Amino acid sequence: DAGVTQSPTHLIKTRGQQVTLRCSPKSGHDTVSWYQQALGQGPQFIFQYYEEEERQRGNFPDRFSGHQFPNYSSELNVNALLLGDSALYLCASSLEAAEAFFGQGTRLTVV
Amino acid sequence: DAKTTQPPSMDCAEGRAANLPCNHSTISGNEYVYWYRQIHSQGPQYIIHGLKNNETNEMASLIITEDRKSSTLILPHATLRDTAVYYCIVSSTPYSGAGSYQLTFGKGTKLSVIP
Repeated sequence: DAGVTQSPTHLIKTRGQQVTLRCSPKSGHDTVSWYQQALGQGPQFIFQYYEEEERQRGNFPDRFSGHQFPNYSSELNVNALLLGDSALYLCASSLEAAEAFFGQGTRLTVV
Repeated sequence: DAKTTQPPSMDCAEGRAANLPCNHSTISGNEYVYWYRQIHSQGPQYIIHGLKNNETNEMASLIITEDRKSSTLILPHATLRDTAVYYCIVSSTPYSGAGSYQLTFGKGTKLSVIP
């Protein structure tokens, strides 16, 4: 079992550009959550997807959007990138109310 | 979700028990206590969770006070690989239907295991 896999591992984008991050959940997991972790801070919840729909959303602007596919994989899209969007983006998968398994994250740098 | 308070840092000698405290005085009846840890440059790792009874697994023990206002995570024999940031999180679980819970991370406790 490969666990939760995220791609790419590192990414550099220019302010104003758009970015797409990808996540494959742990085998059998149907729920995917995304978190943003700024340097020195704990992860902050962005949103959660289940059955291809957004179920919960944290306090993030509409520039942050997502998608879940029928195979439960997910994408996080961020439009009009700001310097402050530079962070580690973490994907977590889970099944029902069980514990969440996190991927290694995608390090996004906006210049 | 209830807020948690943890010390910013702790040291523990290798081989000794590490006891990490967490205060969650506003916890409500349907909220669980979860512990995760994050080793440098890795994603958070689930450790253990509990509602009101003490819990133990292969990684750690969780002791929750009778009034549920605080808890302690115990790593029985700390090793250098246990050096990490430990997060105590309080969250409800939506058992009605599928879907998981939202985890609200604070800044956690940075545990340093000293040789």
